[in-house]
Amino acid sequence: EAEVAQSPRYKITEKSQAVAFWCDPISGHATLYWYRQILGQGPELLVQFQDESVVDDSQLPKDRFSAERLKGVDSTLKIQPAELGDSAMYLCASSPRTVINEQFFGPGTRLTVL
Amino acid sequence: KQEVTQIPAALSVPEGENLVLNCSFTDSAIYNLQWFRQDPGKGLTSLLLIQSSQREQTSGRLNASLDKSSGRSTLYIAASQPGDSATYLCAVRDTGKLIFGQGTTLQVKP
Repeated sequence: EAEVAQSPRYKITEKSQAVAFWCDPISGHATLYWYRQILGQGPELLVQFQDESVVDDSQLPKDRFSAERLKGVDSTLKIQPAELGDSAMYLCASSPRTVINEQFFGPGTRLTVL
Repeated sequence: KQEVTQIPAALSVPEGENLVLNCSFTDSAIYNLQWFRQDPGKGLTSLLLIQSSQREQTSGRLNASLDKSSGRSTLYIAASQPGDSATYLCAVRDTGKLIFGQGTTLQVKP
């Protein structure tokens, strides 16, 4: 069964360091999402891609976060510099092109900033 | 601005009991609603997807209903089992993105 892949699964870093997360969506899924989930809360969208284009990055802290999906397939989310408040689960999801379709989530990357 | 609320925040039941989890949303102009399960420290597993034109969806012991006009959805779990213990999240899709509730953490005691 096709799945969304994410790596690493866990990341511990010190504040002010740079971190990067990788996501490989289900093959053929045009839309890719990055969500952040703080412990005890629901996920919140950071950025949405349609193919290689950003559709929504209104909640992305652009002073320190960046995201790319250069060839419209896999994607990288970067934080530089990391802050203590960035400790959270970072989830990647994908779906086929239309808005009525189900979103499928990867296992997530648990980030701890010390 | 769309807001999603889930009540209760936590629920503990004995094994075998039927239970209902509630989800409410403030703007009825949604494309669909999705229920997820999340085990501690894990990603989200999609349970059921209800399109805006549908009233309910069923999968095994799970049944989800949607009442758009009142802004409500329920997830019914029949004959609960200890393996059902997890956090259940509902999310509505009103444009491209999902907007999540904070979840209901369910504990099913043997």
